[in-house]
Amino acid sequence: SQQGEEDPQALSIQEGENATMNCSYKTSINNLQWYRQNSGRGLVHLILIRSNEREKHSGRLRVTLDTSKKSSSLLITASRAADTASYFCATDSWQGGSEKLVFGKGTKLTVNP
Amino acid sequence: DAGVIQSPRHEVTEMGQEVTLRCKPISGHNSLFWYRQTMMRGLELLIYFNNNVPIDDSGMPEDRFSAKMPNASFSTLKIQPSEPRDSAVYFCASRKGTSGYEQYFGPGTRLTVT
Repeated sequence: SQQGEEDPQALSIQEGENATMNCSYKTSINNLQWYRQNSGRGLVHLILIRSNEREKHSGRLRVTLDTSKKSSSLLITASRAADTASYFCATDSWQGGSEKLVFGKGTKLTVNP
Repeated sequence: DAGVIQSPRHEVTEMGQEVTLRCKPISGHNSLFWYRQTMMRGLELLIYFNNNVPIDDSGMPEDRFSAKMPNASFSTLKIQPSEPRDSAVYFCASRKGTSGYEQYFGPGTRLTVT
């Protein structure tokens, strides 16, 4: 089963608004990553947050991590039409002596101009 | 850098045929991943290599799937025989180092098995 589960599955907002997406997971992690995928394209890495970090910023992106709740959120501020894409969280953990990388099913974000 | 290169970009084949997908990782990256993406199952990790050695192939669906990495600059994912349920987009990704680094994805191969 998927380790990371994004919420909501789909989000539609107006340009200029903020978009918040959440990711929940089940096991202890080394780090959590957020990726973006435009329709018909490969995934692009946005930001990585390690298990000992609580918050990270990159431009208009803000990621938080709460290991006690096993959850993370991605906030996109002042959204633009070009932010329309699917956003995925990916958990990186050690299980059974090997690294496990699991992607969630994503949040489809639509930013209306 | 050209990024991760995958070929072909699109493949249409008939059930029962052998399909070979190819990937060239970013130079200097020592981890390589193969993923499959479908609407129903999302993005699934099939197998990943570190320094050309398969580390985890627990995601490979069944014996019809096999992957090789004969050298640091090339990997293949083979499906033999192919079935309609194998229709999906297959992504290759590479990474510098181990855990703690981001993955760089290729553009994907869209496979349709009729």
